[in-house]
Amino acid sequence: AQSVSQHNHHVILSEAASLELGCNYSYGGTVNLFWYVQYPGQHLQLLLKYFSGDPLVKGIKGFEAEFIKSKFSFNLRKPSVQWSDTAEYFCAVNSGGNEKLTFGTGTRLTIIP
Amino acid sequence: DTEVTQTPKHLVMGMTNKKSLKCEQHMGHRAMYWYKQKAKKPPELMFVYSYEKLSINESVPSRFSPECPNSSLLNLHLHALQPEDSALYLCASSQDSDSNYGYTFGSGTRLTVV
Repeated sequence: AQSVSQHNHHVILSEAASLELGCNYSYGGTVNLFWYVQYPGQHLQLLLKYFSGDPLVKGIKGFEAEFIKSKFSFNLRKPSVQWSDTAEYFCAVNSGGNEKLTFGTGTRLTIIP
Repeated sequence: DTEVTQTPKHLVMGMTNKKSLKCEQHMGHRAMYWYKQKAKKPPELMFVYSYEKLSINESVPSRFSPECPNSSLLNLHLHALQPEDSALYLCASSQDSDSNYGYTFGSGTRLTVV
């Protein structure tokens, strides 16, 4: 069965700091990987996704993620965060051909102005 | 139209009430999903409809009853709910159930059972 781990439960950074949020999945086959963001009181928005090809994926709002197959990881990065990046971030995985999208427990990101 | 629209946005219901949540998309997506999200928790899958047929039911209690009247609409009928069913209910859609196209989520219905 597929599963996702996000080890950082709450991350607090100052504006302009660099960000890296960890995501590890467990599934031995082909996977599709996603990062979603949920701003306070709002719905889930897709930041970026990986299906195949270049393992470095660029998303919206300056975010990027790198798929490292050997480490079963898909960490989210941003070189310089802004106060408006304060939100909950969810990593999600879907194994090829499986209809089910499984979410990690989420990382709450707080940016201090 | 690249949105998934959910109504109502907020719903308060008693334990003996019957209510329905509605979800609509006009992107031509053929797979639609219901997720439940408790506060500070990730969304949990409840149901998947693929080409208007129920393909996954994640052992959801029968007091939740999904319905897919056509390819654009997805309903969730609620009856005899418990206070612990209070949560944010999210609808999502994807181009088809082979999820290589990603998912689009609605803004959710915040349900409170009293």
